[in-house]
Amino acid sequence: EVQLVQSGAELKKPGESLRISCTASGYNFDSHWIAWVRQMSGKGPEYMGIVYPSDTYARYSPSFQGQVTISVDKSTSTAYLQWSSLKASDSAVYYCVRRTGSGWNFYFDSWGQGTPVTVSS
Amino acid sequence: SSELTQDPAVSVPLEQTVTITCQGDSLSTYSANWYQQKPGQAPVLVLYDKDKRPSGIPGRFSGSSSGNTASLTITGAQAEDEADYYCQSRDNSGGHYVFGTGTEVTVL
Repeated sequence: EVQLVQSGAELKKPGESLRISCTASGYNFDSHWIAWVRQMSGKGPEYMGIVYPSDTYARYSPSFQGQVTISVDKSTSTAYLQWSSLKASDSAVYYCVRRTGSGWNFYFDSWGQGTPVTVSS
Repeated sequence: SSELTQDPAVSVPLEQTVTITCQGDSLSTYSANWYQQKPGQAPVLVLYDKDKRPSGIPGRFSGSSSGNTASLTITGAQAEDEADYYCQSRDNSGGHYVFGTGTEVTVL
């Protein structure tokens, strides 16, 4: 069974750094891209960026480029989402998702349980 | 802002049929996928490649597409189908992914 297990809820202050994690199991971690999705309270999901575990190549949605860093540790089948300086507007639930598909269509077939991040002074 | 537009909310009587739509320029090129999200839970994939159902998704969920509009139909809606539904595809550039604005489905 494919599982994506995320780290727990975070409460941080503006300006602090943060790294949240997503540990995959039940499949070959190298073979599927992992994406991160933000969902602000009462809003829809927003695609942030994606990483290919096999070569650690990451690319970012223009809306999130320069705002976050996505990385992986293949030795532990774990993907990370990192901020160097949080803002209140980063408060949201963050999901890691596994990308599947081929050719013209890709979709997200497995989702982590979500990591709530609250940034408040 | 999202490049995929959905009606904000629809309601359907129990066991009746409801169709929700998703409009966007990229849908004339790329397929739509659909996710169901219940309060406090992560989204779940219910349709992919326009009309395919993952294992475990009931047959009452079906999909179609025409031009720049994709549709999800629930035939014989059940109380447990009450949720938010989001379409997803590639963005207009094709290089990234985008979710729709979401439709809240209420089963009466």
